[in-house]
Amino acid sequence: QSALTQPPSASGSPGQSVTISCTGTSSDVGSYDYVSWYQQHPGKAPKLMIYEVNERPSGVPDRFSGSKSGNTASLTVSGLQADDEADYYCSSYTGSNIVFGTGTKVTVL
Amino acid sequence: EVQLVESGGGLVQPGGSLRLSCVASGFTFSGYWMTWVRQAPGKGLEWVAYIKYDGTSKNYEDSVKGRFTISRDNAKNSLYLQMNSLRVEDTAVYYCAKGTWTNDYWGQGTLVSVSS
Repeated sequence: QSALTQPPSASGSPGQSVTISCTGTSSDVGSYDYVSWYQQHPGKAPKLMIYEVNERPSGVPDRFSGSKSGNTASLTVSGLQADDEADYYCSSYTGSNIVFGTGTKVTVL
Repeated sequence: EVQLVESGGGLVQPGGSLRLSCVASGFTFSGYWMTWVRQAPGKGLEWVAYIKYDGTSKNYEDSVKGRFTISRDNAKNSLYLQMNSLRVEDTAVYYCAKGTWTNDYWGQGTLVSVSS
């Protein structure tokens, strides 16, 4: 199972929006609405930001939103803040296993 | 408050074995599937294995099949990962996480280094 494809980097100024893509196949992202997004700051454990494509856990700001079209899922961070600077990973259920994305480093300019 | 605390990591030679443990608290451990995820130094997240809430179903990433065994003891609120025939490429921080396709809580991780 190959990793889901994410852009290596993305950036935006404070207050702007950034969107990260996560491209899989018809066997994972395209077949299941079990796509999650995780934020990871350096040296820290990942934190769940979005689950089941577009659901936000309690405590996650509504600046974070998720969507999916075909084999590609997306995470949008609106109103960028300094603390949003981190690595972001998507993941998807494959029918038997779990596959993570390659990761995207978000930089707040 | 949900807490997951891993232990058991360390330095081991290629071909050696280690057993990782993860103690859970703050939720009904016996009611949830659990997962191990690893992260090699400077690399991305990689799913390793998950186990059903009662231990009757398990699944593994292809590269660890036959070498790693995931298990749990619900009476002790504990999750385990027995790692045998370790390879240099198994070097990583290993995280335990609650859930399967949605991991809503993660431990702090334990570092496994495989080197001669």
